[in-house]
Amino acid sequence: DAGVIQSPRHEVTEMGQEVTLRCKPISGHNSLFWYRQTMMRGLELLIYFNNNVPIDDSGMPEDRFSAKMPNASFSTLKIQPSEPRDSAVYFCASSFPILTGPGYTFGSGTRLTVV
Amino acid sequence: GENVEQHPSTLSVQEGDSAVIKCTYSDSASNYFPWYKQELGKRPQLIIDIRSNVGEKKDQRIAVTLNKTAKHFSLHITETQPEDSAVYFCAASIVTGNQFYFGTGTSLTVIP
Repeated sequence: DAGVIQSPRHEVTEMGQEVTLRCKPISGHNSLFWYRQTMMRGLELLIYFNNNVPIDDSGMPEDRFSAKMPNASFSTLKIQPSEPRDSAVYFCASSFPILTGPGYTFGSGTRLTVV
Repeated sequence: GENVEQHPSTLSVQEGDSAVIKCTYSDSASNYFPWYKQELGKRPQLIIDIRSNVGEKKDQRIAVTLNKTAKHFSLHITETQPEDSAVYFCAASIVTGNQFYFGTGTSLTVIP
């Protein structure tokens, strides 16, 4: 298994542009998580899905952020319009229904820079 | 919901010394506690975990202890090496729950 796959690895965009981050979870995992990591705030949970259904999006900072999971093998996190303060590393993680460390895997992350 | 606090935020030790990172949690129902290591520019990766039915678990130079009564757990790294330098995150969850609750991370520097 290739693990959790995120794309792109790096994204540089201008303020005001739309940004779409992509995630492919591990096959068989039914939970998917989006995190944002910054030096100031550490690892923040933005939203998570169970069986493709959004369960808790209370961590989504603003209406500019939206996430979808149209099927079990794909999820997107969209920022529109982007702002410099959105610059961060965004991680996707997926897990089995039973939460255990070995079954909870992070992707390699997308480093977003908004200029 | 669960609240996990982690201390210290930064830690420097001499190579060969021990390092200890402590976390507390608020929800007595939490019964699973993983620790993640994140090297610079890389993803967090699981290094050790413990369930609430045991008080200590070891894996070579790494150990985790759990005090359910006090609701705190700790990561112990002995004989530290430069490659142990990284950010370490603790987390707490209910195994049948929906998510991990992460601490704010500890940046460990091992000085050669």
